Amino acid sequence: AQKITQTQPGMFVQEKEAVTLDCTYDTSDQSYGLFWYKQPSSGEMIFLIYQGSYDEQNATEGRYSLNFQKARKSANLVISASQLGDSAMYFCAMRGLMDSNYQLIWGAGTKLIIKP
Amino acid sequence: SQTIHQWPATLVQPVGSPLSLECTVEGTSNPNLYWYRQAAGRGLQLLFYSVGIGQISSEVPQNLSASRPQDRQFILSSKKLLLSDSGFYLCAWSVSKDQPQHFGDGTRLSIL
Repeated sequence: AQKITQTQPGMFVQEKEAVTLDCTYDTSDQSYGLFWYKQPSSGEMIFLIYQGSYDEQNATEGRYSLNFQKARKSANLVISASQLGDSAMYFCAMRGLMDSNYQLIWGAGTKLIIKP
Repeated sequence: SQTIHQWPATLVQPVGSPLSLECTVEGTSNPNLYWYRQAAGRGLQLLFYSVGIGQISSEVPQNLSASRPQDRQFILSSKKLLLSDSGFYLCAWSVSKDQPQHFGDGTRLSIL
């Protein structure tokens, strides 16, 4: 069965420091996609970054990068130069790409608080 | 550009009352549409998804139903709400099942 594990329920980070949010996954699929979403306290779910299992390079989007280690089945989100507006819940999610299942498997989330 | 609208933002309903939450997408055709529920402090649970008009798949048996009367309209309904239906409901769309899903602002539903 597919599973996403986010082991950090909460993190406090000083403003301007880099942040790494952990995500490990379990799947028997050969082809899959990994997603990171941000959910501020207002509730909307904001897509941040995507990594395909066959992508050879780590995905990057502005200050966000994904540290993808396929052999270790980890897909950690790295936020460089954190800002106060980065305070939010962060969710890692995954789905297989070769089957007809539309369901995204979600982690429990990490609450990130940026301290001024 | 594509946008997704979801309303109402908040809703307080008595137990046993009906429910209708609406979601519309603009700027794209034939999107995949999704309804999720999120309990407080938890991840998302997929309730329904739709790949086309009139095509609804249910992921979790429950007191809710969904309909897609138009290409870019997705409706979540209930005939009689239960206390356990309280939560944060999110609508999302994607170009295809392999592409990222983009979410509306959500509806906070409280059942009294």
